[in-house]
Amino acid sequence: AQSVTQLGSHVSVSEGALVLLRCNYSSSVPPYLFWYVQYPNQGLQLLLKYTTGATLVKGINGFEAEFKKSETSFHLTKPSAHMSDAAEYFCAVSDRGSSASKIIFGSGTRLSIRP
Amino acid sequence: DGGITQSPKYLFRKEGQNVTLSCEQNLNHDAMYWYRQDPGQGLRLIYYSQIVNDFQKGDIAEGYSVSREKKESFPLTVTSAQKNPTAFYLCASSIDGTKPQHFGDGTRLSIL
Repeated sequence: AQSVTQLGSHVSVSEGALVLLRCNYSSSVPPYLFWYVQYPNQGLQLLLKYTTGATLVKGINGFEAEFKKSETSFHLTKPSAHMSDAAEYFCAVSDRGSSASKIIFGSGTRLSIRP
Repeated sequence: DGGITQSPKYLFRKEGQNVTLSCEQNLNHDAMYWYRQDPGQGLRLIYYSQIVNDFQKGDIAEGYSVSREKKESFPLTVTSAQKNPTAFYLCASSIDGTKPQHFGDGTRLSIL
């Protein structure tokens, strides 16, 4: 069965500092991996996705994530935090080629930015 | 522009009342989903549908019902059997179950 673990329900960084949000997954087959962002009282918006090919994936708003099969990780990073990055971030996994038709979401990490 | 529309944005339910949340998409997606989000928690899957006239229970289907009579529509009914319905409800759609999901802006349901 698939699962996603996001380490740290709340992360706080200073403006301009590195952002690192951790995600580890469990999947019996090669996964598709996603990061979503949610602003207050809104739906989720796709930041980036990994399906096949290059393991370093670039997304919107300057975020990127690296798929590391050996570590079963898909951590999200941004070199320099901006106040507008304050939001909830969700990591998600789905089975590649599965008929299960579901994406499994992590419990989320709330990112706060200190001025 | 293509997207998902959820309505209403805010909804209030009286005790013993059923309420229906609307979800419409014009993305021509086959799969649609309903999630419940509680403060400090992630998304919990209520129901999902891979194709018209077919749907499956998710992890917390008790007290909820859905229909999928049209490809673009997937309404969720919160029945009186759902004893703790106060939450933020999110609808999503995707081309298929492995592809990224597109989300609506949610409906916040409260009890009067």
